[in-house]
Amino acid sequence: GAGVSQTPSNKVTEKGKYVELRCDPISGHTALYWYRQSLGQGPEFLIYFQGTGAADDSGLPNDRFFAVRPEGSVSTLKIQRTERGDSAVYLCASSPLAGAMRGLYNEQFFGPGTRLTVL
Amino acid sequence: TQLLEQSPQFLSIQEGENLTVYCNSSSVFSSLQWYRQEPGEGPVLLVTVVTGGEVKKLKRLTFQFGDARKDSSLHITAAQPGDTGLYLCAGADRGSTLGRLYFGRGTQLTVWP
Repeated sequence: GAGVSQTPSNKVTEKGKYVELRCDPISGHTALYWYRQSLGQGPEFLIYFQGTGAADDSGLPNDRFFAVRPEGSVSTLKIQRTERGDSAVYLCASSPLAGAMRGLYNEQFFGPGTRLTVL
Repeated sequence: TQLLEQSPQFLSIQEGENLTVYCNSSSVFSSLQWYRQEPGEGPVLLVTVVTGGEVKKLKRLTFQFGDARKDSSLHITAAQPGDTGLYLCAGADRGSTLGRLYFGRGTQLTVWP
């Protein structure tokens, strides 16, 4: 498909374990975003990549959270020593730089999310 | 603390009724977007408004951006069951064409046949 894909769709883990969540953006989109959505809340920003580099990581809640995008395409969100409070849906989105240059402000295309449950 | 406040949080109406959802903030945004999200899926972009006072129409949906670019509204005419979903507003930082979005908590709309 042509949309943003995320794997796994569901992840159940135990408190203290390490997890990795993967995002495949739309081909050619240079900007990639991670958000976290808790039940009854809107998405909360975590980190934003422009190419391979993190342009804004101010939303990462603490140093247990880390994300990479080594080749400027696929991104992995890594969570160490998971806690029950980390349980949420983790959403990934991508944007085309060309769109921004045409004045199409911040048009972000979201994937279906990964539901993380920490027991 | 939510930068964008949406109201109402829940809305349950009968098919054919009209409704308005509000998105308010004390901050100025360079653009404001409305998304619709269904269970188990990511948000889907409906519209982006950029200019203060701007009005955009998408079939039965009318979106308005406040003159000061701090608030927005979504009006649905003759709601249908297919309109059911979580409606989210999201603002972009002033002067930014990329970068983070600030989301409201959303309005959960249910339209009964």
